[in-house]
Amino acid sequence: GQQLNQSPQSMFIQEGEDVSMNCTSSSIFNTWLWYKQEPGEGPVLLIALYKAGELTSNGRLTAQFGITRKDSFLNISASIPSDVGIYFCAGPGAGGTSYGKLTFGQGTILTVHP
Amino acid sequence: DTEVTQTPKHLVMGMTNKKSLKCEQHMGHRAMYWYKQKAKKPPELMFVYSYEKLSINESVPSRFSPECPNSSLLNLHLHALQPEDSALYLCASSQGRLVGVDTDTQYFGPGTRLTVL
Repeated sequence: GQQLNQSPQSMFIQEGEDVSMNCTSSSIFNTWLWYKQEPGEGPVLLIALYKAGELTSNGRLTAQFGITRKDSFLNISASIPSDVGIYFCAGPGAGGTSYGKLTFGQGTILTVHP
Repeated sequence: DTEVTQTPKHLVMGMTNKKSLKCEQHMGHRAMYWYKQKAKKPPELMFVYSYEKLSINESVPSRFSPECPNSSLLNLHLHALQPEDSALYLCASSQGRLVGVDTDTQYFGPGTRLTVL
């Protein structure tokens, strides 16, 4: 099925560093979602973007909806150990798909060294 | 409140057992979902219920049987599972057809970690 190209696949950083990850697609999305998943838990919605060009912040997190509607990035500033987890981008309804069909990126595994 | 709850948190079952997973939301959402997730992979869609009716079955084996008793509850009945069915099972909900298909945002529960022996 459809996939979003998410990169990087993994990141190993020192506490205090900034992090950047992105997702690209060959299809247009009208919504970009960023989720974080910690071990043994379900994905938690971090940021939802509904408008092309939109830049949204949530604490130390900033995400942007690309102007072409085919990409999005997520930045984390001044990382801390609790930022560890897998970050997924996702988009609903691409290419006329039906309700319920959420397209996911493959995830970015973030490790933060104290 | 964007909370989806799931019980149990962990489940160990034998291949001949029958068990059920439960999911609940009180956000007034009209779409509910079951996903299966393997380690370090994105969730894989299994079933979608829209207005309490099954709208999508992603060719899931019949040993998984979903049920939506009302708009707030979703069950997944398990019978004669195989060891390869061991995974994290996630429930999610969204507004569904109350909003546009391309803005329908899903909220996930904490999951049930299933181990089949």
